[in-house]
This record gives sequence, C-alpha cells and structure tokens, in this order.
Amino acid sequence: DTEVTQTPKHLVMGMTNKKSLKCEQHMGHRAMYWYKQKAKKPPELMFVYSYEKLSINESVPSRFSPECPNSSLLNLHLHALQPEDSALYLCASSQAMIATNEKLFFGSGTQLSVL
Amino acid sequence: DAKTTQPNSMESNEEEPVHLPCNHSTISGTDYIHWYRQLPSQGPEYVIHGLTSNVNNRMASLAIAEDRKSSTLILHRATLRDAAVYYCIRRVGTGFQKLVFGTGTRLLVSP
Repeated sequence: DTEVTQTPKHLVMGMTNKKSLKCEQHMGHRAMYWYKQKAKKPPELMFVYSYEKLSINESVPSRFSPECPNSSLLNLHLHALQPEDSALYLCASSQAMIATNEKLFFGSGTQLSVL
Repeated sequence: DAKTTQPNSMESNEEEPVHLPCNHSTISGTDYIHWYRQLPSQGPEYVIHGLTSNVNNRMASLAIAEDRKSSTLILHRATLRDAAVYYCIRRVGTGFQKLVFGTGTRLLVSP
C-alpha cells in the first residue's frame, strides 16, 4: 500500500465553523507533512511531524492546529478561518524527515472553501 | 535564499521528446535536485532525483549540468498522460530539511 488517503475531498465551511482534515498512511512512514496550495501556485509547506512530534511550523496562523495522534494519522484542525484560507490542502509522508534523497508521497488533497 | 526558476509553460506533440529546464544557480554542493509532477486534480508525485551525474528511471531522465547550476528533466516520448505541472525542487535547511517547490512548468501535450 503506497497510498496517502485524505478526507474529506471537498469541504465548505463558514468563518465561525470548526472542522478537521484527516490524513492516513500505512507505509510505516515516520514523517508527515501538511502543504497548502493556492490555485495555479506551487505547494507551500505548513507543518512537518517527525516521529509524532512537531518539527517544523512555517509560522502558520494559530487558526490552523495540527495533530499527530499516532504514526499513521495526521489531522489539521481548522477554526475561525478567513476566505483567503481557501485552498487545496495536501498531506504527504516520507520514511523519515526529509534527507538528501528522501521521497515524499502525497495524497490527493482536500479542496477547502471558506465562505 | 536559493531559488529555482522554471519556464511557466511548454508545449509538445505526443510521442516527441520533451526537455524541461530548471535553473538553481545557488544550490549547495550536497543538495539533491528533485523533480515532482502534479497531474490535474491530484497531489504531486515523485519523478526523479539526482546529485551530480545523469539519472534514468522508467519515467524520465535527469541531466545535471557539470556546474550543477541547472538541470533538465527529459521525457523521452511524451504521452497525453504526461500533461501536468512539473516542479523542480530544492532542499533547504540543515538538520531538519525540507523540500521547497519551484514555480513549476505546465506541460501541454497535443495529439
């Protein structure tokens, strides 16, 4: 199984809602990532977890709250988002923290619309 | 901060070779060069990576300039399924390292 599964595929939420994005992998990978991708732009790194500990936070606003309950699961909790947060949210995993030649495996993403 | 630059778009005919260039003039001597592609409505997928010498795999070839300031991704025979955005990627950081995507080249393939 070389898949990274993200749910839901689409999400529409209001600015006062609380929602969560979920990501799951069963490849035994110990590093997991959240990327944000605006339309027609490259993905931008948000968070990296290594061995279930937050290793990198790219100065992401606190309305985005990541969580890694175990080595197979990664969540992104959303609260009080703004319309400009509408984007494709991508999850990825790799065997370990990115080294010189480490490969990332990406999910298909959650397309988020904030109204 | 080191940057990668790529043309915004390129066009090719089916079954012709495609050469996708990337400039990474400030890449450090030990950093690998990675390429990923993103098909419509999908997440990025790994294509190839290399350090100094040319690399081949079943998807593509990677030609790296001797001074490592540029590289070229080569698709030997483009198919319609190769239409995607191709990202040249650099690794940044010491200790905890991360991949930072370049701007990407949108490849259009015509039948």
